[in-house]
Amino acid sequence: DAGVIQSPRHEVTEMGQEVTLRCKPISGHNSLFWYRQTMMRGLELLIYFNNNVPIDDSGMPEDRFSAKMPNASFSTLKIQPSEPRDSAVYFCASSPGGDRGGYTFGSGTRLTVV
Amino acid sequence: AQSVAQPEDQVNVAEGNPLTVKCTYSVSGNPYLFWYVQYPNRGLQFLLKYITGDNLVKGSYGFEAEFNKSQTSFHLKKPSALVSDSALYFCAVSATRRAAGNKLTFGGGTRVLVKP
Repeated sequence: DAGVIQSPRHEVTEMGQEVTLRCKPISGHNSLFWYRQTMMRGLELLIYFNNNVPIDDSGMPEDRFSAKMPNASFSTLKIQPSEPRDSAVYFCASSPGGDRGGYTFGSGTRLTVV
Repeated sequence: AQSVAQPEDQVNVAEGNPLTVKCTYSVSGNPYLFWYVQYPNRGLQFLLKYITGDNLVKGSYGFEAEFNKSQTSFHLKKPSALVSDSALYFCAVSATRRAAGNKLTFGGGTRVLVKP
């Protein structure tokens, strides 16, 4: 298994532009999580899905952020419009669910908004 | 609400010496507890977990952790640290109640530096 695959690995964009981050979870995992990591705030849960359905999006910072999971093998996190304070590393993780953890993380997308 | 505290931002230890990374938690009901490690420019990797049973849990790379319910702690330990153990370590907790879902709450992380 290739693990959780995120793309792109690095993204540099100008303020105001739309940014889309992508994630392919491990096949058979039915829970998917988006986290953001910064020096100041550490690791924050943004949103998570069970069986493609958003369960808790209370961590999404504001309406500029949106996430979708159209099927079991793909999820996107979109920021529109992007701002410099959105600069961070965004991680996607998946879990088989019912296991109470055992998350597998992707390698992350390092986003820089200039 | 569930929370995790890692009181030390950084732990320095000499190679070959014992390593301890502290973690305390707060959760309603019985906790599920986890340790993850993050190497530079990488995602988090699972080390070990406590679900139930023996309070001493053994994990990857020679790490172990001890669940202490009365002290609400889950400290990570390694008897003899290696330079290659230098990384960022995260403790995490999940509540067992179904309403909480299976989301993990992470601590702020502890940077471990093992010196030769």
